[in-house]
Amino acid sequence: EDQVTQSPEALRLQEGESSSLNCSYTVSGLRGLFWYRQDPGKGPEFLFTLYSAGEEKEKERLKATLTKKESFLHITAPKPEDSATYLCAVQATAAGNKLTFGGGTRVLVKP
Amino acid sequence: GAVVSQHPSRVICKSGTSVKIECRSLDFQATTMFWYRQFPKQSLMLMATSNEGSKATYEQGVEKDKFLINHASLTLSTLTVTSAHPEDSSFYICSARRDNWEAFFGQGTRLTVV
Repeated sequence: EDQVTQSPEALRLQEGESSSLNCSYTVSGLRGLFWYRQDPGKGPEFLFTLYSAGEEKEKERLKATLTKKESFLHITAPKPEDSATYLCAVQATAAGNKLTFGGGTRVLVKP
Repeated sequence: GAVVSQHPSRVICKSGTSVKIECRSLDFQATTMFWYRQFPKQSLMLMATSNEGSKATYEQGVEKDKFLINHASLTLSTLTVTSAHPEDSSFYICSARRDNWEAFFGQGTRLTVV
């Protein structure tokens, strides 16, 4: 069974304090790993897709990396507007179009 | 990114009535649409997967007669919560994908059954 575990569950940061979120996964074969941002009361917003180990993608203060067992979302010098829940999801090769989501990491950035 | 529109964003209904939620992909044709349910401070729970023109595939434990899904076209899927009860109150989110591209999500619908 495909599994995705995110840690920590919650993260409190001071503005400018860089940190990393972890997404560990177990799948029979990885087709893609996705990162999303979700604000309270809204649907998830797409951030990145990673397909193979060693791949990295960046967008503003966010950088996502991928290994064979986990992915990291690095937040560099965060600002209060980066406060959100960050969700990681995987698509397994045997799962068709379905995504398996992790529990998410709630990030709060204080000014 | 692509735009997925979900409507309504909030709905309050009486117990025993039915509620329909619409999900539209505005700028691409979605081969697959997904419906999720999300409880407070929890992640997304997949309810069902639907492909245009065919019956939806429901996840284990999801009542297909209670949560009716129709995927009539490549840009529209609907979820109807039939005979709603207070325990059906939740945040429902749709998602649309084209082949193996990224999945894009709607804004979500907050359903309250009173």
